[in-house]
Amino acid sequence: NAGVTQTPKFRVLKTGQSMTLLCAQDMNHEYMYWYRQDPGMGLRLIHYSVGEGTTAKGEVPDGYNVSRLKKQNFLLGLESAAPSQTSVYFCASSYNSLGQSNQPQHFGDGTRLSIL
Amino acid sequence: QKEVEQDPGPLSVPEGAIVSLNCTYSNSAFQYFMWYRQYSRKGPELLMYTYSSGNKEDGRFTAQVDKSSKYISLFIRDSQPSDSATYLCAMRMADPGTYKYIFGTGTRLKVLA
Repeated sequence: NAGVTQTPKFRVLKTGQSMTLLCAQDMNHEYMYWYRQDPGMGLRLIHYSVGEGTTAKGEVPDGYNVSRLKKQNFLLGLESAAPSQTSVYFCASSYNSLGQSNQPQHFGDGTRLSIL
Repeated sequence: QKEVEQDPGPLSVPEGAIVSLNCTYSNSAFQYFMWYRQYSRKGPELLMYTYSSGNKEDGRFTAQVDKSSKYISLFIRDSQPSDSATYLCAMRMADPGTYKYIFGTGTRLKVLA
């Protein structure tokens, strides 16, 4: 049981390049989230999904897009990377669809992204 | 004003000490409270999860919620060097459908051998 797995773990991009971060969870959770973590700012929600085929904006969505084509996967895309997007990105999942409500979030180990 | 305030530390203590980590919050609607431990270059790991007010104990860890003061605490007894990490508090409202978890910025703890 792997929990939440993020791919890749590290990446360096040049300004203007695009990339996709992949998050996979094997806990049958309905909700999935993408956060960024920056020094002194804590975890900030980028986008989230409450179920397969649905996505919504969080606190800091600009410059990012997401897709949830399968329940277990949540993809975060950067269309044209900017230095301000240098950060550590965390995926999380929560809310078991078998009726166990109010479950806390489980996190992956992050993707460290540098934009030059 | 942030919804959740947490002293960033670092907090340095000798091995075996009792550690007290705290968060204050402003939204009285928060009902669920969590503590996460985050090691360097790792994701947050859930330590404690409590509902409303009161205490919850798990091994060396005790979580305490005082809703009247809007104040939550995590106590670590007999602290070990392996407890050295950043501790994040988090909270959410009662609605089971809510997506919104509010996180503190984390307190960095160093336990010295």
